Amino acid sequence: EVQLVQSGAEVKKPGESLKISCKASGYTFSNYWIGWVRQMPGKGLEWMGIIYPGDSDSDIRYSPSFRGRVTISADKSISTAYLQWSSLKGSDTAMYYCARKVGVNAIVDYWGQGTLVTVSS
Amino acid sequence: EIVLTQSPDTLSLSPGEKATLSCRASESFTSTYLAWYQQKPGQAPRLLLYATSSRASGIPDRFSGSGSGTDFTLTISRLEPEDFAVYYCQQYGRSPNYTFGQGTKLEIK
Repeated sequence: EVQLVQSGAEVKKPGESLKISCKASGYTFSNYWIGWVRQMPGKGLEWMGIIYPGDSDSDIRYSPSFRGRVTISADKSISTAYLQWSSLKGSDTAMYYCARKVGVNAIVDYWGQGTLVTVSS
Repeated sequence: EIVLTQSPDTLSLSPGEKATLSCRASESFTSTYLAWYQQKPGQAPRLLLYATSSRASGIPDRFSGSGSGTDFTLTISRLEPEDFAVYYCQQYGRSPNYTFGQGTKLEIK
């Protein structure tokens, strides 16, 4: 059974760093794309970027709105993808979902349960 | 960037009625890359339709999709109580900027 299990909710202060995770199981992690989607409180869905872990080098692509603001990475040895911030802002408060794609221009077939990030002083 | 605009923002209907949700794109793209998702409070989105009109696994046949070019439609033939939720369209053909529409909230009248 395919599962994407995300790390728990986080409460951080502005300026702090954060790394959230998405652990995959039930399939070969290296062979599928993993994306990250933001949903701010009461708002819609925004695609942030995707990563293809691959067998050798990873392929990482960022949506223009998020390039330079977050970093997407993966650790193939533990089948886990990450989304990280070096300096959080209040506007980063949101639910973050990871999602699996069969191909770069394919549908999302599985979603994580979401990680709520709250940034407040 | 392809901007997707959904209408209406909110749709108020009763169970048993037919729902028609619209998704209009700022530029034409292949219908192969248009999906619809349903999201209920506190839950991750759920894929309903992909490639404009193909139902995802387990999706009942009261959900259907149509359209091409810049205009796409999600139709729910007879609303069930569990269908009241927020619906999003998404284009997934322009990596990595897979844009979503702003959503249509389907509420009980």
